[in-house]
Amino acid sequence: GEDVEQSLFLSVREGDSSVINCTYTDSSSTYLYWYKQEPGAGLQLLTYIFSNMDMKQDQRLTVLLNKKDKHLSLRIADTQTGDSAIYFCAEPSGGSYIPTFGRGTSLIVHP
Amino acid sequence: DSGVTQTPKHLITATGQRVTLRCSPRSGDLSVYWYQQSLDQGLQFLIQYYNGEERAKGNILERFSAQQFPDLHSELNLSSLELGDSALYFCASSAGTSAGELFFGEGSRLTVL
Repeated sequence: GEDVEQSLFLSVREGDSSVINCTYTDSSSTYLYWYKQEPGAGLQLLTYIFSNMDMKQDQRLTVLLNKKDKHLSLRIADTQTGDSAIYFCAEPSGGSYIPTFGRGTSLIVHP
Repeated sequence: DSGVTQTPKHLITATGQRVTLRCSPRSGDLSVYWYQQSLDQGLQFLIQYYNGEERAKGNILERFSAQQFPDLHSELNLSSLELGDSALYFCASSAGTSAGELFFGEGSRLTVL
């Protein structure tokens, strides 16, 4: 996914907030996704945001979208050890709407 | 449990060989997608089928091919295998053609020796 970029690792302490950042390239994307991959499992949709929104909140998750800078972030409040996983940012690729994924950010939560 | 089933979970084979990976989509889903996940390339889209027809093609090598059968299960065929084909191959499904939420299987890990 060279069109979607993310940092590869993030380490936080349990109870702190985690912020995972992503930049994308296609300004015409109608929505953007965050997927989560737990060890030994496939990817699972965590949340998504429409491109006409700046922010979406869902319990401990907050998604921020800066369309001008093509920047997407995922904030996890009160991070728990169970949040340890790889988080993928994705945007639909052109008119096909098939997600193009970033390389994923490994979130490590330590006590 | 996503409802997407992939077999085998693990596969070890030698260079030059051919393997077939199988995927059963979630009940009712008509679209199947294949992705390759490797350390150096990340998660790469290979190909999509919708109701038996090829719908979209990504970074799929000519040595690889796929098909979707009338019962909607799909197979990914990898031939003339090279060391660099070692990866985790994911199948995902969705209800329609326009992706939306993809439901992923647990993947098939291929090791080429």
